[in-house]
Amino acid sequence: AQKITQTQPGMFVQEKEAVTLDCTYDTSDQSYGLFWYKQPSSGEMIFLIYQGSYDEQNATEGRYSLNFQKARKSANLVISASQLGDSAMYFCAMGRAQKLVFGQGTRLTINP
Amino acid sequence: NAGVTQTPKFRILKIGQSMTLQCTQDMNHNYMYWYRQDPGMGLKLIYYSVGAGITDKGEVPNGYNVSRSTTEDFPLRLELAAPSQTSVYFCASSYSRLAQNNEQFFGPGTRLTVL
Repeated sequence: AQKITQTQPGMFVQEKEAVTLDCTYDTSDQSYGLFWYKQPSSGEMIFLIYQGSYDEQNATEGRYSLNFQKARKSANLVISASQLGDSAMYFCAMGRAQKLVFGQGTRLTINP
Repeated sequence: NAGVTQTPKFRILKIGQSMTLQCTQDMNHNYMYWYRQDPGMGLKLIYYSVGAGITDKGEVPNGYNVSRSTTEDFPLRLELAAPSQTSVYFCASSYSRLAQNNEQFFGPGTRLTVL
């Protein structure tokens, strides 16, 4: 069975600092995808970044990067130069074929 | 494109009542999904569909039914509502298989309360 663990229920960061959100996963599959989604207080789910299990380079999307360490089964999200608008819940998810398994999320608060 | 739309936005049901949550996407996506999100938790997959006429169970299917008669629509049916089904329900769609970097696009959600 697949499992995602996010060990940080909440994080508080000063504006403009970088922040790392932790995500570890467990799977016996060789081919899988790792995703990060943002859920602001308005409730919608916003896709941020994707990493394939066979991708050799870490994924980047603007201020977001994914620190993928396959041997350690971790897929941490790094947000550079945090902004007030980054305050939200962040979910790590793992998928193979049609099914996504989500972690419990980390609530990120950016302080001015 | 409207993307993924869901109706209603909010609903209160009494125990034992039934209802259908509507989901429509206009992106011609083959894959559609229903998730539930309980307070303070991540999303859990209820059912999914890989195309019209084809559906399959996810992690938490009990108490729900789905159908997929068209590419665009994927309704979720609650037959006998129970307080344990109080949750926010998200519909999502994607073009193809997850492992090929096809992100899932989510609807705005339906907040359901069963009293």
